[in-house]
Formats: sequence, C-alpha cells, structure tokens
Amino acid sequence: SQQGEEDPQALSIQEGENATMNCSYKTSINNLQWYRQNSGRGLVHLILIRSNEREKHSGRLRVTLDTSKKSSSLLITASRAADTASYFCATDHLAGNTPLVFGKGTRLSVIA
Amino acid sequence: DGGITQSPKYLFRKEGQNVTLSCEQNLNHDAMYWYRQDPGQGLRLIYYSQIVNDFQKGDIAEGYSVSREKKESFPLTVTSAQKNPTAFYLCASNRAARETQYFGPGTRLLVL
Repeated sequence: SQQGEEDPQALSIQEGENATMNCSYKTSINNLQWYRQNSGRGLVHLILIRSNEREKHSGRLRVTLDTSKKSSSLLITASRAADTASYFCATDHLAGNTPLVFGKGTRLSVIA
Repeated sequence: DGGITQSPKYLFRKEGQNVTLSCEQNLNHDAMYWYRQDPGQGLRLIYYSQIVNDFQKGDIAEGYSVSREKKESFPLTVTSAQKNPTAFYLCASNRAARETQYFGPGTRLLVL
C-alpha cells in the first residue's frame, strides 16, 4: 500500500548545486515527513510539514507542500558530498491511527 | 543514551531455520515497527505494535512472526516459511502512529 512516490528515482549533481526531490501521494493526509538514509544505515528524520503548512525550512532544507496537488518537494541548497544518501517521504492517512507509509525514495549522489 | 538498538548487525540463516532479530528501545515509545528493505527499494511494513501485548500485520507479514511482551522490546522471527528472507531489516518506534519514527541501525539477513 504505497502512498508516497518519490521522483526522480535517482539524482546526480555537482557539489554546490541545489537538489530537488518530489513526492506525490494519493489520499488526504495530516502531515508529511522526509527522512534520509545513508547506505546500510537506518533512516533519520529530517523534517515534518503539516497539512495546513505550505513551506518549512530547516538549515539548508526547504520543504513545500501542495495539498491540492497532493505533492511535496524537498530542496537541499548548496549540496555537499555528505548529502549523498537516499531520501524518503512518509505520509499518514487523514482518517485512522495507522502507521506512516514510506515511498521508494530518491537516491541522491553529490559529486565533489 | 536514548535510542533504538538492533542486533545482530549481520545474521546468517540456514535453509529451514527460524531466526530472531532483536529490537530494543529506551525512548518510552508505545509503538514499534518492523520493515523490510530490498536493495534499491523502499521500506515495506512487516508488523507493527501500538501497545504491549498487541500487534498487527503489515503489508508483507507472511513468513514472519513477532511478540510484544514488554514495551521496550519487539523481536521479529523470520520463519522457515519465508522463502526469500535475504534483505535489510529495520526496526523503528514512535510515541504514536502519525508521529516521527526513530530507526535502529538495521540487521542484514543473509541465507547460507
């Protein structure tokens, strides 16, 4: 029951460039979260945006949410080689107390 | 240190054998989760538990079993019925279903 779908599947950029990843989902949500996973490690929470918010910032991260289009984007500005990782969006269901549903992720490679 | 731990880091299973993956948290979280991740793929939910002595099947529960006898612990058994168990297994926890999940470092299961 995949709710979120990230796009693109893979992204390769040069250090210093900005990286944009997108997430589309199917049903109404309470909030949307972005996580990061370094190779062979567990996921780490980056940022949560609520359904009544349109934009949120955290350091070099900027997340937007468009509930009318059921989509979100994660922008990493001035990327660094250390940003190389997979990035996942996770959504909940508006109704019910059910677990988060994770997308398949975007693999970001930042080349020094 | 507060956190979530998984052991072992690597586990080898012989054909026909049941193996158990450990997951412990000291975050006082009510909810715990098990995910399976195949190479280059997203997370698929195996089982989750929102309270002690209760758990629910996720999307791919066949061939797996769990128990939740203590709040801190949520072990996962990969039974011999799981014919393709080779994967990376992640445990996570949170205070409630929609909230931020905290992940363990993962266990990589390999079949001999």
